[in-house]
Amino acid sequence: TQLLEQSPQFLSIQEGENLTVYCNSSSVFSSLQWYRQEPGEGPVLLVTVVTGGEVKKLKRLTFQFGDARKDSSLHITAAQPGDTGLYLCAGDAGGTSYGKLTFGQGTILTVHP
Amino acid sequence: ETGVTQTPRHLVMGMTNKKSLKCEQHLGHNAMYWYKQSAKKPLELMFVYNFKEQTENNSVPSRFSPECPNSSHLFLHLHTLQPEDSALYLCATRLESSYNSPLHFGNGTRLTVT
Repeated sequence: TQLLEQSPQFLSIQEGENLTVYCNSSSVFSSLQWYRQEPGEGPVLLVTVVTGGEVKKLKRLTFQFGDARKDSSLHITAAQPGDTGLYLCAGDAGGTSYGKLTFGQGTILTVHP
Repeated sequence: ETGVTQTPRHLVMGMTNKKSLKCEQHLGHNAMYWYKQSAKKPLELMFVYNFKEQTENNSVPSRFSPECPNSSHLFLHLHTLQPEDSALYLCATRLESSYNSPLHFGNGTRLTVT
């Protein structure tokens, strides 16, 4: 069974601070997706990373896929209250498991004004 | 509007009740999923349907029974549930033929078993 360890589980910061969320596994993934979920809603895709070492930017969010495709990070610069939510990483093992995502436990981010 | 609609949004049921959760999609996707989201636990995959055929049953107890009558609708029939089954049940869809295509989630049904 593949596992994705996501940390930290909770993050409470002030507006303007920077933060990083980590997603680690001992397994290799063919791709990794990051989702954001707000209260009362389902998760919404932020980004998919596919290539080892890949870096993708989405405004103030920077996503990185590890060289060995076993880990990923999400860095938010100058966090804003609108960034508050649950952030989930999800890995796709590919092959016969293609499309069956393994999710991390999630990081609950609260950004205070 | 996510393109994936789940009803009801909230459901309270006793352990002897029978109820059904409904998921409807208008995205033209060919794969549909049921996930269970509990506090402090990762999203758990329950069932997968590809082209209306069930391709995955992730060791889910028989008190949960899925049904996919067509590519636009997915149901989860519930009977004799336990209090530990209380959770957010999420439906998701995906375009299976598109490489690395993401999951599109509905807003979930918050289920409470009393």
